[in-house]
Amino acid sequence: QVQLQESGPGLVKPSETLSLTCSVSGDSVGGYFWSWIRQPPGKGLQWIGHIYSTGRTDYNPSLERRVTMSVDTSTNQIFLAVSSVTAADTAVYYCARCSLKGDCYDMDYWGQGTLVTVSS
Amino acid sequence: DIQMTQSPPSLSASVGDRVTITCRASQYISSYLSWYQQKPGKAPKLLIYAASNLQSGVPSRFSGSRSGTDFTLTISGLQPEDFASYYCQQSYSSPRTFGPGTKVEIK
Repeated sequence: QVQLQESGPGLVKPSETLSLTCSVSGDSVGGYFWSWIRQPPGKGLQWIGHIYSTGRTDYNPSLERRVTMSVDTSTNQIFLAVSSVTAADTAVYYCARCSLKGDCYDMDYWGQGTLVTVSS
Repeated sequence: DIQMTQSPPSLSASVGDRVTITCRASQYISSYLSWYQQKPGKAPKLLIYAASNLQSGVPSRFSGSRSGTDFTLTISGLQPEDFASYYCQQSYSSPRTFGPGTKVEIK
């Protein structure tokens, strides 16, 4: 059974960088795309972007200047960094696996999500 | 970006009811449309992929269909565990976009 677990600081100061880790167990990250999605409190889902196991990325243009994703196949982890955060970046952040090997259409395994609050 | 709209934003229904949620894409997306269910405090769960394919393990009372750029999620015989929010998502082009969601509440 594939399991994903997000981790990172729950509180980040404005203008700083939000950094999260998604640890994958039960399967290798190799051969799959991995997505990051966020959800502000009480609101809908926003796709941040995805990364292939080779490191190829596709980011949401609305966040692209501030987002960096990376992957470490040796530790089976995926990373997200969002720089210059503001209160608008306060959200539950999810990592998820794209279901199809080699492409990304839908996401079949999700982490439980981690709430990141941006506040001084 | 492709805009996804959903209707209704919310609905009240009773156990056993047939429920239909509609999602419309702002442009052609073929059948690159997924449906997710989300319960409060939980991660979304994939229900339907490629517009009409049932994800493994999802009850057969859930079904999806497509007509042009309009997509429908139907729950045939609503169960207590189905009260949740439902989101559509297009994967035809980047950026991937979600609909605003439909909240299914108990009448």
